[in-house]
Amino acid sequence: NAGVTQTPKFQVLKTGQSMTLQCAQDMNHEYMSWYRQDPGMGLRLIHYSVGAGITDQGEVPNGYNVSRSTTEDFPLRLLSAAPSQTSVYFCASSYAPPGSHSNQPQHFGDGTRLSIL
Amino acid sequence: GENVEQHPSTLSVQEGDSAVIKCTYSDSASNYFPWYKQELGKRPQLIIDIRSNVGEKKDQRIAVTLNKTAKHFSLHITETQPEDSAVYFCAAYKYIFGTGTRLKVLA
Repeated sequence: NAGVTQTPKFQVLKTGQSMTLQCAQDMNHEYMSWYRQDPGMGLRLIHYSVGAGITDQGEVPNGYNVSRSTTEDFPLRLLSAAPSQTSVYFCASSYAPPGSHSNQPQHFGDGTRLSIL
Repeated sequence: GENVEQHPSTLSVQEGDSAVIKCTYSDSASNYFPWYKQELGKRPQLIIDIRSNVGEKKDQRIAVTLNKTAKHFSLHITETQPEDSAVYFCAAYKYIFGTGTRLKVLA
């Protein structure tokens, strides 16, 4: 198993550009999530999905869109990039959603380092 | 909304000493509490977790304790080694993370 795969690893954008960060997992996990990591801020939850066709907002959803058309893929879209979105983005997945009786740990991808000029 | 507070933000210990990191959470529905270790430039990786029906869990030099009444849980690392130096994160309910603790183990 490849686990959680994120692409690209690095990206530089100009303000106002759009792009999609890709995330795919091959573990048949139902739960997937996106975080951004900024210095001193820890990991902040952007959006999450408890299964195909179901998404919801996390702590910091503004400026980001997600969709979940398949169990494997959970792309994160920036419609109009802003310098405040410069960050490291992590995708994660787990077998079951948090709070369920079959809670299991999240597996993280290697991250995408995004700079917006 | 849900909130997870983590202390301290930085921690320096001498090699061989113990380190303790504490987290408090606000949502009483939380029933799963993982701890992650993140080395510089790497992904967070799970090191230990605990469920709400357990008060303590150990794995070699690492242990986690949970007090559901007080809504706090702690990570304990004994006999610290230089390779324990990293940033440690706790999480609770809906995988809301604490702000992290940078642990430095001084040789």
